[in-house]
Amino acid sequence: AQSVTQPDIHITVSEGASLELRCNYSYGATPYLFWYVQSPGQGLQLLLKYFSGDTLVQGIKGFEAEFKRSQSSFNLRKPSVHWSDAAEYFCAVGADFGTASKLTFGTGTRLQVTL
Amino acid sequence: DAGVTQSPTHLIKTRGQQVTLRCSPKSGHDTVSWYQQALGQGPQFIFQYYEEEERQRGNFPDRFSGHQFPNYSSELNVNALLLGDSALYLCASSSTVDTQYFGPGTRLTVL
Repeated sequence: AQSVTQPDIHITVSEGASLELRCNYSYGATPYLFWYVQSPGQGLQLLLKYFSGDTLVQGIKGFEAEFKRSQSSFNLRKPSVHWSDAAEYFCAVGADFGTASKLTFGTGTRLQVTL
Repeated sequence: DAGVTQSPTHLIKTRGQQVTLRCSPKSGHDTVSWYQQALGQGPQFIFQYYEEEERQRGNFPDRFSGHQFPNYSSELNVNALLLGDSALYLCASSSTVDTQYFGPGTRLTVL
């Protein structure tokens, strides 16, 4: 069965500082990996996705993520955080068929940004 | 181009009642998936509809059922509501060539 672990429940960074959110997955085949962001009381917005090819993927809002098969990780990074980045971030892995497959999510990391 | 829309935004029900939530997919998408997000948790997959049939199902009881219409919109029905069904219900639409995009959700409170 597929699973996702986000080890950090809550992270606080200063505005302008760099950010890395950790994600580890368990999946038997080549995974489809995603990062979503959720503002309070809102739905999920797709930041970026990895299916194959270049292991460093660029997303919206200046975010990027790197797929490392040997570490079963897909960490999210941003070089300089803005106060508007404060939100909940979810990593997800897709099942084994197509982009329309079900997603398994981690429990999320809440990002707080201090000014 | 409208994204995924859901109705209603909020809903309050009492234990034992039944509820229907609605979802309209993003233009060009033919697959609808439903997720339950309890407070402080990540979303959990309920089921997915494609061509008006349930294609996949997560670990949810039969009290949770759904339907997809010819225009690809979908409904989620929950019977015999329990307090533990209180959650944010998210709908996501997708296609074979596009990933899942989520709607704003319906907040269900069961009293």
